[in-house]
Amino acid sequence: QKEVEQNSGPLSVPEGAIASLNCTYSDRGSQSFFWYRQYSGKSPELIMFIYSNGDKEDGRFTAQLNKASQYVSLLIRDSQPSDSATYLCAVRAGRRALTFGSGTRLQVQP
Amino acid sequence: DGGITQSPKYLFRKEGQNVTLSCEQNLNHDAMYWYRQDPGQGLRLIYYSQIVNDFQKGDIAEGYSVSREKKESFPLTVTSAQKNPTAFYLCASNADSDYGYTFGSGTRLTVV
Repeated sequence: QKEVEQNSGPLSVPEGAIASLNCTYSDRGSQSFFWYRQYSGKSPELIMFIYSNGDKEDGRFTAQLNKASQYVSLLIRDSQPSDSATYLCAVRAGRRALTFGSGTRLQVQP
Repeated sequence: DGGITQSPKYLFRKEGQNVTLSCEQNLNHDAMYWYRQDPGQGLRLIYYSQIVNDFQKGDIAEGYSVSREKKESFPLTVTSAQKNPTAFYLCASNADSDYGYTFGSGTRLTVV
């Protein structure tokens, strides 16, 4: 079982819709959770981080965390073609290095 | 501007050669990391260092070596023992374990 699992996609949504990206993790000691966006051929860039159960909103992005279910998600409202990218979920337990999922490819159709 | 600089952007390695990838940061971050990314895959941890003169192996350290003689620099050597080195290599740093990483722009290594 992979430590961090994501559906590889592609997830295709029409422009203006809500895109929902999901991630599950196996280490119950995980304490911090991150979402990165990676455009093709580029390095990842941090979008959101969340530490506590519940929702965290930043502009069009909302991160949701449920530690009991070991589940973290990213919602993108009013999706734009420029949001088309691979979204990487990453988790950390304590002071360990981040463990990344394999990413979900999002395609926003104009 | 502060950031992480990786060089070169593209690197070609012949069979049996060792090559060194450079990673320099001016963010005053204590921790630095090396990840490898294969096509369509996530990032896999090679080595990391949380302080000068100390580093730990990640999940796929075999065939790689690192040094951390200065806070700003964390070079990665891909040795001839690494049998499948073709990949995208990413260096990252962070100031504290509570925060996410800042990534460099990456080095794309190809075996020829």
